Amino acid sequence: SQQGEEDPQALSIQEGENATMNCSYKTSINNLQWYRQNSGRGLVHLILIRSNEREKHSGRLRVTLDTSKKSSSLLITASRAADTASYFCATDELNDMRFGAGTRLTVKP
Amino acid sequence: DTEVTQTPKHLVMGMTNKKSLKCEQHMGHRAMYWYKQKAKKPPELMFVYSYEKLSINESVPSRFSPECPNSSLLNLHLHALQPEDSALYLCASTTIGEGDTEAFFGQGTRLTVV
Repeated sequence: SQQGEEDPQALSIQEGENATMNCSYKTSINNLQWYRQNSGRGLVHLILIRSNEREKHSGRLRVTLDTSKKSSSLLITASRAADTASYFCATDELNDMRFGAGTRLTVKP
Repeated sequence: DTEVTQTPKHLVMGMTNKKSLKCEQHMGHRAMYWYKQKAKKPPELMFVYSYEKLSINESVPSRFSPECPNSSLLNLHLHALQPEDSALYLCASTTIGEGDTEAFFGQGTRLTVV
């Protein structure tokens, strides 16, 4: 079964705008990760946040984690057309890795 | 080498066929995963092997039979599949017990059951 819900399910923005995606999960976690998937192929790891962290940055990515609400958000700043993809959050508990429903992001040039 | 290699990339099989999907990694990862992904859906966990032993089986039908012959190789044997089993099958690998378990994914096998 999947871990939780993400919203929005689909997001369409113009190049240069920021994109925010949210993820909720159900169980306790060691960490929460975000992955990107282009065109239904393999997933690529973007960023990991540990359960004792509240915020993390990597380049144009900012991730927050609220363990009391069992939720996380991914912010992509200054989006580019090449950011068009599906984005999934994943929770990991003792090598039991499950994905949220995902957000399909379209960045229009 | 940070690659997970899956073969074949595409597979078309009849409902009476037997076929196998293969996954290989040489990163020394001791956890390997099979996921099934339908169009516009998230990857759905099927099996996890830890130290070459099956640790998670998500009540997958017996027509899917996983095998982990060594620490670098993971197979998924397919037999008597149904058209609804058509999907993208993804393999992944991670370390075990090192905290930050980033998963590395293969490019998947696109399976069509006819």
